[in-house]
Amino acid sequence: QVQLVQSGAEVKKPGASVKVSCKASGYTFTTYSMHWVRQAPGQGLEWMGIINPSGGSTSYARKFQGRVTMTRDTSTSTVYMELSSLRSEDTAVYYCAREFGITTVRGVGPEFFDYWGQGTLVTVSS
Amino acid sequence: DIQMTQSPSSLSASVGDRVTITCRISQSISSYLNWYQQKPGKAPKLLIYGTSTLQSGVPSRFSGSGSGTDFTLTISSLQPEDFATYYCQQSYTTPRTFGQGTKLEIK
Repeated sequence: QVQLVQSGAEVKKPGASVKVSCKASGYTFTTYSMHWVRQAPGQGLEWMGIINPSGGSTSYARKFQGRVTMTRDTSTSTVYMELSSLRSEDTAVYYCAREFGITTVRGVGPEFFDYWGQGTLVTVSS
Repeated sequence: DIQMTQSPSSLSASVGDRVTITCRISQSISSYLNWYQQKPGKAPKLLIYGTSTLQSGVPSRFSGSGSGTDFTLTISSLQPEDFATYYCQQSYTTPRTFGQGTKLEIK
């Protein structure tokens, strides 16, 4: 069965960096892209970026460009999200989510987040 | 970036009610619209993808419709386990974007 297991909660000081991991199992790791989505306390879902585990290419939300780095290790089927220059507004639960895509005769069909990690709470506090 | 506007932002309803949540998009996204359900302390769960296709295991009381810029999620007869927050999300382009959420509460 597909599982995405994330690393544990973190407490960081403003200005520090955090690196969250997401270990995938139950499927071929390089077949599906992985996204990171965060959720601040009491707020909605915010997309951060995507990594293609096959080649390692990435695309980040404009808001996080320059502060976020997404990487992968194919030997362990793990993706990582590192966020630097942390501020209090970065306090949130961070999720990885696998994106499944359906290919039709007309090309790319629906794409959707079918599996999610359990979430990692990152608290930024002095 | 594509903007997503959900309405209402919150909704009180009773078990057995029929409810509809709307998602309006800032530009046409064809049928690349997904719906998720999230309960407190849990990761979001995929309900519907491609506007109207139910994810495996999702009860048939959930349905989705729409195209272009206007989409709806309907729950035909609310059950106690349906009280949660619902999000729409577009997969037409990157950046992926979500609606702000609709919190469905028990009346």
